[in-house]
Amino acid sequence: NAGVTQTPKFRVLKTGQSMTLLCAQDMNHEYMYWYRQDPGMGLRLIHYSVGEGTTAKGEVPDGYNVSRLKKQNFLLGLESAAPSQTSVYFCASSYPHGGLNTEAFFGQGTRLTVV
Amino acid sequence: GESVGLHLPTLSVQEGDNSIINCAYSNSASDYFIWYKQESGKGPQFIIDIRSNMDKRQGQRVTVLLNKTVKHLSLQIAATQPGDSAVYFCAENIEETEGNNRLAFGKGNQVVVIP
Repeated sequence: NAGVTQTPKFRVLKTGQSMTLLCAQDMNHEYMYWYRQDPGMGLRLIHYSVGEGTTAKGEVPDGYNVSRLKKQNFLLGLESAAPSQTSVYFCASSYPHGGLNTEAFFGQGTRLTVV
Repeated sequence: GESVGLHLPTLSVQEGDNSIINCAYSNSASDYFIWYKQESGKGPQFIIDIRSNMDKRQGQRVTVLLNKTVKHLSLQIAATQPGDSAVYFCAENIEETEGNNRLAFGKGNQVVVIP
């Protein structure tokens, strides 16, 4: 049982390049999230999904797109990377229990540097 | 590399003493709260949670207190150990629309345990 797995773990991009971050969970969780973490800023929600085929914007969605084609995968795309997107990205998943949300399980993070 | 704890409020505590970490949340309608621990280079890990119908919950060496009147959450760690050195985040569950829940995180508090 791997939990939440993110790939890649590290990446350096040039400004304007595109890339996709992959998140996979093997816990059959309904909800999945993408956060970014910057020094002193805590975790800010980029996009999230409450089920296969659905996505919603979080606090800081600009410059990112997501897709949830399969329940176990949640992809985060950067179409044209900017230095402001240099950050550590975390994926998480959780499951509703009895109609209530429960704790989110996090991946180990992807450190992205845009130069 | 950059520390997620940079510029965060820091609590220095002597090994063996008790630690108290505080958090103010924003939404009076939030019904679920979680404390996470994040060690350097790792993703956040669940510590303890509490629902809004409770004002106190205890785990192993940790206690969470919820004061809904002033929208305040605290985490108490008993007999703090060196392994407790980390950044601690509180999170609140926010229901955007029916069935769309997201976790909103605070900025974090760094705990440094002095041996």
